[in-house]
Amino acid sequence: DIVMTQSPDSLAVSLGERATIKCKSSQSILYSYDNKNYLAWYQEKPGQPPKLLIYWASTRASGVPDRFSGSGSGTDFTLTISSLQAEDAAVYYCQQYDNMPLVYTFGQGTKLEIK
Amino acid sequence: EVQLVESGGGLVQPGGSLRLSCAASGFSLSSYDVNWVRRAPGKGLEWLSYISTSGDNIHYADSVRGRFTISRDNAKNSLYLEMNSLRAEDTAVYYCARDGTDGPDDYYGAFDIWGQGTMVTVST
Repeated sequence: DIVMTQSPDSLAVSLGERATIKCKSSQSILYSYDNKNYLAWYQEKPGQPPKLLIYWASTRASGVPDRFSGSGSGTDFTLTISSLQAEDAAVYYCQQYDNMPLVYTFGQGTKLEIK
Repeated sequence: EVQLVESGGGLVQPGGSLRLSCAASGFSLSSYDVNWVRRAPGKGLEWLSYISTSGDNIHYADSVRGRFTISRDNAKNSLYLEMNSLRAEDTAVYYCARDGTDGPDDYYGAFDIWGQGTMVTVST
């Protein structure tokens, strides 16, 4: 089974500064048949369901501000928030998709706080 | 508005059963693969089960295989999760979640619409 490991577990960043969260997969999630990395990022706030931010490692979901960006390929991925806003305080999860067999696996989560 | 609404959670004793429902509105559930995901208190997200549009392709996480059963009724625009032999470690908020797609060849591999969740507590 693919294991997703995020780092750090938590971080505190000042308003307006850049926040970076990393996600490492135990095996490549770049699929040769379509050359896509099936890696997604979610934001979860207390009392709310997770919100999809990024899919295919770097494609922003509809309505997501452009300060959120995703990068990486194969086994190493990064979520970057370019200029932190107060409303960005949340837990962030990466998630991979595998179709042989079908399984979705989440990272353990990274708690982002405002310094 | 496109939304999913779960129901059916509650308090159940260990070994008991519960059936969760998820109603879709604002879109036709029959056009999407859908899933159940949970988050236990103080823990991270855990994918539980997937069902294809027609219901003929189903998958489970190892942690629930043999105990939970996913199903759907496209005529009712609804998704279900039958949970049996419940354990304390099944205590969690349960979400239904839609597979994101822009078309048959543009599958996200991610969940673009989530319900608000329903709490399941397994305890004496």
